[in-house]
Amino acid sequence: DIQMTQSPSTLSASVGDRVTITCRASQTISSWLAWYQQKPGKAPKLLIYKASSLETAVPSRFSGSGSGTEFTLTISSLQPDDFATYFCQQYNTFPNTFGQGTKLEIK
Amino acid sequence: QVQLAESGGGVVQPGRSLRLSCAASGFTFSISGIHWVRQAPGKGLEWVAVIWYDGSQKHYADSVKGRFTISRDNSRNTVLLQMNSLRAEDTAVYYCVRQRRRDSGSLDYWGQGTLVAVSS
Repeated sequence: DIQMTQSPSTLSASVGDRVTITCRASQTISSWLAWYQQKPGKAPKLLIYKASSLETAVPSRFSGSGSGTEFTLTISSLQPDDFATYFCQQYNTFPNTFGQGTKLEIK
Repeated sequence: QVQLAESGGGVVQPGRSLRLSCAASGFTFSISGIHWVRQAPGKGLEWVAVIWYDGSQKHYADSVKGRFTISRDNSRNTVLLQMNSLRAEDTAVYYCVRQRRRDSGSLDYWGQGTLVAVSS
């Protein structure tokens, strides 16, 4: 199975900051990677698919990049609504697998 | 609007069975792949299974292979997850999720989830 490793596990930042979360795959997954945001008690929300495509209605401050084994999610200017947990998912190969998550906290 | 509604969760003893149901509406169900994803309390997301739009292919996580079975009824816009030989580690919120159109595996609409608790 493909292992997905996110870093950092926890990130403290302030409103207005630019933040980057990294996701590494244990083997190449081309661009078959998605990013999700999850808030407590809620279902995850798709932000980015195919590594860099912004899902409909997702604010443009979110962006994704990468291919192969290394990927990043960048939030250009943090807003109060962005403090949440973020997960990456590879869908190059079954079984699909998720990263362990990155919790974005208010500094 | 797109809706996915899970049902069938509850408390079950180890070794017993449970069947989850997902009722879909607001989109063309018969052309959409459907996944199940679970989340243990306080933990991350774990992909469980997928069924192709026509039921022709099914794939499972290693942790549930041989115990769980996914199926669908396109005439009723329903997906089922039959869970047998349940273990304590199967305790989680189970989400029914639609595969994004024109993409091969990202997940764009999620149900609210149903809690399965395996305990004696």
